[in-house]
Amino acid sequence: DVKVTQSSRYLVKRTGEKVFLECVQDMDHENMFWYRQDPGLGLRLIYFSYDVKMKEKGDIPEGYSVSREKKERFSLILESASTNQTSMYLCASSLYLPNILAGGETQYFGPGTRLLVL
Amino acid sequence: QQQVKQSPQSLIVQKGGISIINCAYENTAFDYFPWYQQFPGKGPALLIAIRPDVSEKKEGRFTISFNKSAKQFSLHIMDSQPGDSATYFCAAGDSGGYQKVTFGIGTKLQVIP
Repeated sequence: DVKVTQSSRYLVKRTGEKVFLECVQDMDHENMFWYRQDPGLGLRLIYFSYDVKMKEKGDIPEGYSVSREKKERFSLILESASTNQTSMYLCASSLYLPNILAGGETQYFGPGTRLLVL
Repeated sequence: QQQVKQSPQSLIVQKGGISIINCAYENTAFDYFPWYQQFPGKGPALLIAIRPDVSEKKEGRFTISFNKSAKQFSLHIMDSQPGDSATYFCAAGDSGGYQKVTFGIGTKLQVIP
């Protein structure tokens, strides 16, 4: 059974703290993604990674960084947390399909981490 | 700029009725259109997806209709049930884009008995 796990379901942090959100997948997927979900804004892509040590900025990377040292693990880092980073954070993974016609592939999501920055 | 526009943001439907959620896109490079379903406290999960070479795809009570010329696609849920109450996201992606997709803002569906 496909599984994406996130290290915490709920986190409360103070402004200025460094925050680490961890995501692990057990499907040997090449692609991994970090989104934030906010009411009225849907899912917005922060960063994604298509291979170990490779990363690409998404639509809203400001204030975030990522790390992918191992294939199964993708970390999201808030260098100095701010109140506007209070949100639900979702991690996802997908298989890479080399066929150019394959296009998008199913993304498997974790349960999310609800982060509150005070 | 919202690349995938989704409406309505919320929808209340009676049990047994048809739920309809609409999406429109701008980028003509998009060639993959999935719909994700999210229950409270859970991450989204793929419900159904379509590629632009077909105009309709049906899986059980869920149907995607696709209009390439209008750059629109929609999800129809027939015989809606209370268990269908969830948030639905449309999305769009392209073959050359590292297989990432752009999501709509979501539609919160409530099916009332």
